Amino acid sequence: QKEVEQNSGPLSVPEGAIASLNCTYSDRVSQSFFWYRQYSGKSPELIMSIYSNGDKEDGRFTAQLNKASQYVSLLIRDSQPSDSATYLCAVRVLTGGGNKLTFGTGTQLKVEL
Amino acid sequence: EAGVAQSPRYKIIEKRQSVAFWCNPISGHATLYWYQQILGQGPKLLIQFQNNGVVDDSQLPKDRFSAERLKGVDSTLKIQPAKLEDSAVYLCASSSPGVETQYFGPGTRLLVL
Repeated sequence: QKEVEQNSGPLSVPEGAIASLNCTYSDRVSQSFFWYRQYSGKSPELIMSIYSNGDKEDGRFTAQLNKASQYVSLLIRDSQPSDSATYLCAVRVLTGGGNKLTFGTGTQLKVEL
Repeated sequence: EAGVAQSPRYKIIEKRQSVAFWCNPISGHATLYWYQQILGQGPKLLIQFQNNGVVDDSQLPKDRFSAERLKGVDSTLKIQPAKLEDSAVYLCASSSPGVETQYFGPGTRLLVL
């Protein structure tokens, strides 16, 4: 079983719709959870982090975490064509030095006009 | 504030040749990471430095890859000899002490022929 799993997509949604991106993880001692956005040919950029169960909202983005189910999701409201990118889920697990991120393979999102 | 700098941006070499990549982190960031991102996959951590000490190199193929951060600032990653499967984007990231957010550089795209 992969440590962090995501559906590779592509996930296609019409402009203005809600895009829902999902991620599951295998390590129960995972501490922190992150969503990165990566445009084609560019490096990842952090868009959301979440540390405790429940929802966290930031503008059009909402991250949801359920540690019991080992599940984290990202909702994008009012999707725009500029949101078309690959979304990477990352999980931090405590190591001797701390702050080791394990990434999923990413979900490609396409927002269609 | 300047971001993470990497060079070169692109490199094409033949298998069995050697190659080196350079990274300069954001000023004041004590932690530096090297990731390998193969096409269609998420970034995979190769090595993590805290100042000039190695925190985690468990996924670094030590028979061919080496990295150093001699003065606790910039870092180099070397591959010798390169294999076809080393074709990937090599991402450098940095973070501040006690802060989980990692900031990525633009990456170096390596093609091994």
